[in-house]
Amino acid sequence: GENVEQHPSTLSVQEGDSAVIKCTYSDSASNYFPWYKQELGKRPQLIIDIRSNVGEKKDQRIAVTLNKTAKHFSLHITETQPEDSAVYFCAASIPNTGNQFYFGTGTSLTVIP
Amino acid sequence: DAGVIQSPRHEVTEMGQEVTLRCKPISGHNSLFWYRQTMMRGLELLIYFNNNVPIDDSGMPEDRFSAKMPNASFSTLKIQPSEPRDSAVYFCASSSQGKSGNTIYFGEGSWLTVV
Repeated sequence: GENVEQHPSTLSVQEGDSAVIKCTYSDSASNYFPWYKQELGKRPQLIIDIRSNVGEKKDQRIAVTLNKTAKHFSLHITETQPEDSAVYFCAASIPNTGNQFYFGTGTSLTVIP
Repeated sequence: DAGVIQSPRHEVTEMGQEVTLRCKPISGHNSLFWYRQTMMRGLELLIYFNNNVPIDDSGMPEDRFSAKMPNASFSTLKIQPSEPRDSAVYFCASSSQGKSGNTIYFGEGSWLTVV
């Protein structure tokens, strides 16, 4: 099956700086890569996603890049704010496998005011 | 849309008691997932259903855990008997294969404490 690795496990940045979280996957058949944000005591919520036919996607301060050849994808948060502090999860999904999702182990991001 | 609805939101029970967690997926979604989240193990997939049929239950810890999906709008996760190590947050999630980009939507979670 698919194996998704996520780094770093913890990340601290100063407010206003950028944060980058990286994930790798093992199965080249994976074609959908969502990112979730989980605030303390709350559920994971989708913040951005990308499909394998696209190399980059942006939504305001958040962007995701995908390198299919290297089998890795990254989340970029610019101009970080304290409310960006949360745990972020990446995931990969393989088509025709019954909608199975494979999650990374999460990155705890702290934005220091 | 009300989103994925889980109940109870919080439960405290004594070791040995039966625990039943309930989930109502988003209407029209045909995939349902049960996850367990702890500090030590992170987010673990326990079981998932497609069109009410269990597809992969390899994540179910042991025979004390069972899950059912009798219809498209309801699923249960049962623990019998419960043990303190079962204390965790249990998330139900749903997805529509082929729609909405296959995105998984999570419920608010059921916070279980077994004492």
